[in-house]
Amino acid sequence: QQQVKQSPQSLIVQKGGIPIINCAYENTAFDYFPWYQQFPGKGPALLIAIRPDVSEKKEGRFTISFNKSAKQFSLHIMDSQPGDSATYFCAAQRTGGFKTIFGAGTRLFVKA
Amino acid sequence: NAGVTQTPKFQVLKTGQSMTLQCAQDMNHEYMSWYRQDPGMGLRLIHYSVGAGITDQGEVPNGYNVSRSTTEDFPLRLLSAAPSQTSVYFCASSSPRGKLYGYTFGSGTRLTVV
Repeated sequence: QQQVKQSPQSLIVQKGGIPIINCAYENTAFDYFPWYQQFPGKGPALLIAIRPDVSEKKEGRFTISFNKSAKQFSLHIMDSQPGDSATYFCAAQRTGGFKTIFGAGTRLFVKA
Repeated sequence: NAGVTQTPKFQVLKTGQSMTLQCAQDMNHEYMSWYRQDPGMGLRLIHYSVGAGITDQGEVPNGYNVSRSTTEDFPLRLLSAAPSQTSVYFCASSSPRGKLYGYTFGSGTRLTVV
């Protein structure tokens, strides 16, 4: 009930490509789904987040797609750049909550 | 605006030793948490606190203690270090009052137990 499953584990794309990272959750009580970006040697940083009352959210080159009925959500990075190379974590929590459940992470490498 | 500050950044311990990982935040956040990060396992919650004087266990609490005497500080104590506690530890804080409910993370403590 508490798991968040994330795939793929790693991803390599060419510059300008559109990497897609997928996540699935089980607990329907979750109502806030953030994505975090982590560079080597740093802590994760909040990137973008979505609530299940919308199907898509865009912030710059980053887009979250949300499918409430399937309990799945995904991150798309448009026009990916080498500087986007990082580990990405999806997460799920209740609004205002603190027990955030994280996916296992996806290591993205964007080739120049 | 320092955010979340963790010390030390690196630490090597011998099996059986004890130590305290420090965490401080200056954002007046109510919630604070400790996570450990291991390859292929994401971030796993160790302990969390919803306010001064209130703490609770997360997913992997065994071998760790916490206390929250002030809003700002949330130290993590390793009671008797074991090699299985070799990991990168992150402290994070958040607030239910903000527009975004996500965490602000510290830069981490890389701990090796030999």
